[in-house]
Amino acid sequence: EAQVTQNPRYLITVTGKKLTVTCSQNMNHEYMSWYRQDPGLGLRQIYYSMNVEVTDKGDVPEGYKVSRKEKRNFPLILESPSPNQTSLYFCASRDGTGIYGYTFGSGTRLTVV
Amino acid sequence: AQKVTQAQTEISVVEKEDVTLDCVYETRDTTYYLFWYKQPPSGELVFLIRRNSFDEQNEISGRYSWNFQKSTSSFNFTITASQVVDSAVYFCALFSGTYKYIFGTGTRLKVLA
Repeated sequence: EAQVTQNPRYLITVTGKKLTVTCSQNMNHEYMSWYRQDPGLGLRQIYYSMNVEVTDKGDVPEGYKVSRKEKRNFPLILESPSPNQTSLYFCASRDGTGIYGYTFGSGTRLTVV
Repeated sequence: AQKVTQAQTEISVVEKEDVTLDCVYETRDTTYYLFWYKQPPSGELVFLIRRNSFDEQNEISGRYSWNFQKSTSSFNFTITASQVVDSAVYFCALFSGTYKYIFGTGTRLKVLA
């Protein structure tokens, strides 16, 4: 089954404790992206990657890091999480054309206390 | 500039009523794609439909229908005979090859039994 696998589904952490949210896709998609969803703000892009070793900032990159060492994996790293990073996060992938839309992971609900 | 506006923040209907979710977009590109995604209470984002700018045919899938009108830059979504299971947040999105995906802020639909 074609899918984007994102883990964990729920995470509660404390301010400053580094964490990683993993994302893996099995569709051989070139393009992967991380979004955060906040009430009233819709989906905002954090980072994206157009292919292996190619990453770039989205609209709200501050406080986040990503890497793309393999085509299938695109982890999101929060080096020093803060409460304003409490949000619902989605990993997504699509082919290089973009015309078929994204496939999204199940989401990670992160709470930073 | 690219923009997607979902002016309806929240809609409540009684089961079996018809409901239309509005989506208005802005783009200067002549080739673009429009999407609708559904986010049920479980949180995942589910692809519903894709429409390209050259195809203004309306589409019907069961109780769901989509009305694409380039003259008014709208891509509206109608649910006929709504059911409680239709309760979700619905996102409209725009993509063109010259830009990234732009998501609307979503419309929360509540279908009351």
